[in-house]
Amino acid sequence: AQKVTQAQTEISVVEKEDVTLDCVYETRDTTYYLFWYKQPPSGELVFLIRRNSFDEQNEISGRYSWNFQKSTSSFNFTITASQVVDSAVYFCALTGWGGASGGYQKVTFGTGTKLQVIP
Amino acid sequence: NAGVTQTPKFRVLKTGQSMTLLCAQDMNHEYMYWYRQDPGMGLRLIHYSVGEGTTAKGEVPDGYNVSRLKKQNFLLGLESAAPSQTSVYFCASSYSTTGSEQYFGPGTRLTVT
Repeated sequence: AQKVTQAQTEISVVEKEDVTLDCVYETRDTTYYLFWYKQPPSGELVFLIRRNSFDEQNEISGRYSWNFQKSTSSFNFTITASQVVDSAVYFCALTGWGGASGGYQKVTFGTGTKLQVIP
Repeated sequence: NAGVTQTPKFRVLKTGQSMTLLCAQDMNHEYMYWYRQDPGMGLRLIHYSVGEGTTAKGEVPDGYNVSRLKKQNFLLGLESAAPSQTSVYFCASSYSTTGSEQYFGPGTRLTVT
């Protein structure tokens, strides 16, 4: 069984503050993929990043960075110097690997963290 | 490219009415999905399709039917709407390779009174 926990329901920060969104996952698969998606007020979910279970290197993209730690089953997302445009709901998601035969694998989404950046 | 489009964007139904939500993608993706999003519950998979002519049940399929007659289209039907089906519905698509990210449509806000 897969599970994704985003314990932070809502976070408010003042513009230019750094903020970290937590994601903790559970899976029995040894190979799996983790994702972050952003859902701005307009409603459409946008893909941000994917990590596979073999790659624990941290990723940085502009003001965004991701910290993947298998030892704690966490895939946290940090926004540096937050901006009002970062206000959105952020979802963490997990999927397993289908093995050599491939095929559809269930994607489990967390319940999301609503981030409000106050100007 | 339009990506993933959904029609309609908003709809109000009365209990017992039926409707069909249309999803279209122009990325030649094999996989397509229908989700519903409710407050505090994240995204829950209703049905999905791994290719033209194939569909399968997700986590919450009751009360919904789907069809994938063409690769680019995925239809979600409600035969007899209930207030519990008031939700925001998202369609998504992805490549068929394991671990592919999903591309989402703009959503359909459905209210059943």
